[in-house]
Amino acid sequence: DGGITQSPKYLFRKEGQNVTLSCEQNLNHDAMYWYRQDPGQGLRLIYYSQIVNDFQKGDIAEGYSVSREKKESFPLTVTSAQKNPTAFYLCASSLDRRNTGELFFGDGTRLSIL
Amino acid sequence: QKEVEQNSGPLSVPEGAIASLNCTYSDRGSQSFFWYRQYSGKSPELIMSIYSNGDKEDGRFTAQLNKASQYVSLLIRDSQPSDSATYLCAVTRDQAGTALIFGKGTTLSVSS
Repeated sequence: DGGITQSPKYLFRKEGQNVTLSCEQNLNHDAMYWYRQDPGQGLRLIYYSQIVNDFQKGDIAEGYSVSREKKESFPLTVTSAQKNPTAFYLCASSLDRRNTGELFFGDGTRLSIL
Repeated sequence: QKEVEQNSGPLSVPEGAIASLNCTYSDRGSQSFFWYRQYSGKSPELIMSIYSNGDKEDGRFTAQLNKASQYVSLLIRDSQPSDSATYLCAVTRDQAGTALIFGKGTTLSVSS
C-alpha cells in the first residue's frame, strides 16, 4: 500500500544533541512538508520541498534543517539550536505544487527532551 | 503574519444534530480552503476542499465559503459519535499556494 512512513514514533533528545526524524513516501509525490504541532495548537510549517534538491523555509524554520536528495525521502534534523523541540512532528506530501491543499500525512513522531 | 482563526471549543452536540464549525482568515487574497479532521493522537486527514463562494456538499458534510467576509464553515449533518474529533481549517499560505496555514482547530464532541 502507498503511504508515508515516519520513524521513529517516539524520540527523546538530550540537551545539546541533534536528532533526525525520518520521512519516506512511496506515493510518487513531488512535494513534501514538515509541520510541528504543539498541544492544543494547529500545525505550523517548518520546511517544505516542491521538487528534489530544492526546499524552502516555512514559518518556524529556526533550529531545524532538511535535505531532499531523493524524491521519496525528506528527513528533518532538529538541532541543538531549537530550544523548545518537544512537539508532535508531522510529515506530509502532495502530488505536486498545484495540489498543496491535498496533503497526505504520516503517523507522526513525538519528540521529547530528556 | 497571515492567520486562520477558529473557536477552540469544545463544541458539544447530541447525536443526530447539526454541528457548525467556523473559521476566519486574514489574507483576502487566499484562494483555496480545506477542512481536515484529526482524531486524538492521530494525524490529520482531508475531508473537504472548497475554492469558490457558496456551498459544497459531500455526504453529511457541507463546506461554505464567503470570500467577502473571509469566512469558511463546515456543517456536519446527522452528527455521529464517530465524528468526535478536532477539525482543522486550512488556507493556502500564499498566492502561489506553496503550502497550507492551519488554524488551531475546533474540538467537536458528539454525545449518544
